[in-house]
Amino acid sequence: QKEVEQDPGPLSVPEGAIVSLNCTYSNSAFQYFMWYRQYSRKGPELLMYTYSSGNKEDGRFTAQVDKSSKYISLFIRDSQPSDSATYLCAMTGGAGNQFYFGTGTSLTVIP
Amino acid sequence: NAGVTQTPKFRVLKTGQSMTLLCAQDMNHEYMYWYRQDPGMGLRLIHYSVGEGTTAKGEVPDGYNVSRLKKQNFLLGLESAAPSQTSVYFCASRTGTRRSYNEQFFGPGTRLTVL
Repeated sequence: QKEVEQDPGPLSVPEGAIVSLNCTYSNSAFQYFMWYRQYSRKGPELLMYTYSSGNKEDGRFTAQVDKSSKYISLFIRDSQPSDSATYLCAMTGGAGNQFYFGTGTSLTVIP
Repeated sequence: NAGVTQTPKFRVLKTGQSMTLLCAQDMNHEYMYWYRQDPGMGLRLIHYSVGEGTTAKGEVPDGYNVSRLKKQNFLLGLESAAPSQTSVYFCASRTGTRRSYNEQFFGPGTRLTVL
């Protein structure tokens, strides 16, 4: 079983839609949960990170973590064509040096 | 600051050839990582380093070697390239302070094709 599972998509939505991206994980030691955005032929860039369970909001983006279900989500409100990218979830334990990534979900926002 | 840079950006090798990928960072980060990214597989950790002179194996280390002789540089070597090593390679770095979380910064990637 992989440490982190993520639906690869692809996901295609119209501009203005609400997008929901999700990951599940198996290691209960994970404490930090991250979402990266990766544009085509570029390196990943950190979008948001959350510590332990709860929600975190940053503009149009909201990250949720449910440690009891080992499930994390990223919501994008009022999606824009510029949001078209691959979104990777990642996580790490408090004492660990390794980060574990999902396979990424490809998102296209159609104008 | 240039951040994390990778050299070269593209490379085509024949099976059995060797090469070295260079990662450089100017942020004085202690930790550096090498990942490979393949379709449907996501980012997988090859090797990492927690400081100058140290290296450790990640999830997929076979066929690769690394060296961290200087704090700012992390080299990834392929001694005898195989077609299975065709991939996009990303380097990343982060600070190693006692804070519990520190962001990883990624380089632009190296696209390697092994024929």
